[in-house]
Amino acid sequence: GNSVTQMEGPVTLSEEAFLTINCTYTATGYPSLFWYVQYPGEGLQLLLKATKADDKGSNKGFEATYRKETTSFHLEKGSVQVSDSAVYFCALSRSGAGSYQLTFGKGTKLSVIP
Amino acid sequence: NAGVTQTPKFQVLKTGQSMTLQCAQDMNHNSMYWYRQDPGMGLRLIYYSASEGTTDKGEVPNGYNVSRLNKREFSLRLESAAPSQTSVYFCASREGDRWGGTDTQYFGPGTRLTVL
Repeated sequence: GNSVTQMEGPVTLSEEAFLTINCTYTATGYPSLFWYVQYPGEGLQLLLKATKADDKGSNKGFEATYRKETTSFHLEKGSVQVSDSAVYFCALSRSGAGSYQLTFGKGTKLSVIP
Repeated sequence: NAGVTQTPKFQVLKTGQSMTLQCAQDMNHNSMYWYRQDPGMGLRLIYYSASEGTTDKGEVPNGYNVSRLNKREFSLRLESAAPSQTSVYFCASREGDRWGGTDTQYFGPGTRLTVL
């Protein structure tokens, strides 16, 4: 079956540090890959996505590249801010039985300190 | 546009009580989903509806029922609540249906449910 593995948290960084959150996946075929972000007390918001191999998704300074050869979709940001403190979820979408359901990783909590 | 809305935001139930969680979307999306979020587990799919009038089971459907009332609304019912159903429940919607369309899902703010 489909699965997503992302690095365990929590991750604590100082402001302006470089961020990497690792994500690898197992799936048949060619899934779409996503990063969602959840700020405290809120629902999930789409951060970025990529739909095919070598695509790079980007938004708000965050980037992730769809690497089929390593089945990975690592999230990166060059300089984090306190406002980036949140839980980040990696996910994949496959059209099994027409559901297009999302399979999520367990989430990585990021705390950025001034 | 309000996007995806959910009611209530918080609810406390006693074991054996029933309740319905409401979800509505104003984006004219075809597909709607119910997930639960538990600590350290990510989100897991309970039920989904790929079009008005259809519903299908997800990964963890036991103890739940759903109704796709119309294109806008998708409700989740707990007939006899159990402590194991203590969780945060998220509704989501997607523009496409079971035959295709974009695969991006948009989430509501969640309902935090505690069963004592």
